[in-house]
Amino acid sequence: SAVISQKPSRDICQRGTSLTIQCQVDSQVTMMFWYRQQPGQSLTLIATANQGSEATYESGFVIDKFPISRPNLTFSTLTVSNMSPEDSSIYLCSVEDRQDSSGNTIYFGEGSWLTVV
Amino acid sequence: KNQVEQSPQSLIILEGKNCTLQCNYTVSPFSNLRWYKQDTGRGPVSLTIMTFSENTKSNGRYTATLDADTKQSSLHITASQLSDSASYICVVRDYSSASKIIFGSGTRLSIRP
Repeated sequence: SAVISQKPSRDICQRGTSLTIQCQVDSQVTMMFWYRQQPGQSLTLIATANQGSEATYESGFVIDKFPISRPNLTFSTLTVSNMSPEDSSIYLCSVEDRQDSSGNTIYFGEGSWLTVV
Repeated sequence: KNQVEQSPQSLIILEGKNCTLQCNYTVSPFSNLRWYKQDTGRGPVSLTIMTFSENTKSNGRYTATLDADTKQSSLHITASQLSDSASYICVVRDYSSASKIIFGSGTRLSIRP
């Protein structure tokens, strides 16, 4: 299994500012992902963090708004830039690890709960 | 469009009672189906994972079933405890080169003493 540490766990941010969320995994993993979960909603994939290259963004998410770094196989950061109240969400770091013949298990960090005021 | 629909949206039961949560999906073909538990303000935690060839899988008081023909899965919780209060999310991975993961919107379960 993989243990994922995220920080900050929660923060209150001023409109127009940027915040960087850190994700640290206790083992080397190939696949790291960033998700957003808005209040009462399901998880939405923002991007896949690729080690040594630019992140792969999903439709509706752009690098200027959500720059991502992945300097090695155990660490990634997500920045939420120029925040507005609509960015108030839980941001989750996730990795995949092969568990058994049923397939990979996806592990999630504890989440970073951002409130933009 | 590949979708994962969960029902009910929310559920309240008394401590000690059993309950069953439903997940219907249109993802086809699919690679595997997972159930996750998410406590409020926390990250989801894996409960079970099943491939299309598996009919049931248990994890303690949690038992997941899968009917690949009708594209339905259920999560049965036995002898509920207060700590079971959480959102339960059904997640399906499609069997394609994109291998997308599709999340259901979850069922919010509240256990009352």
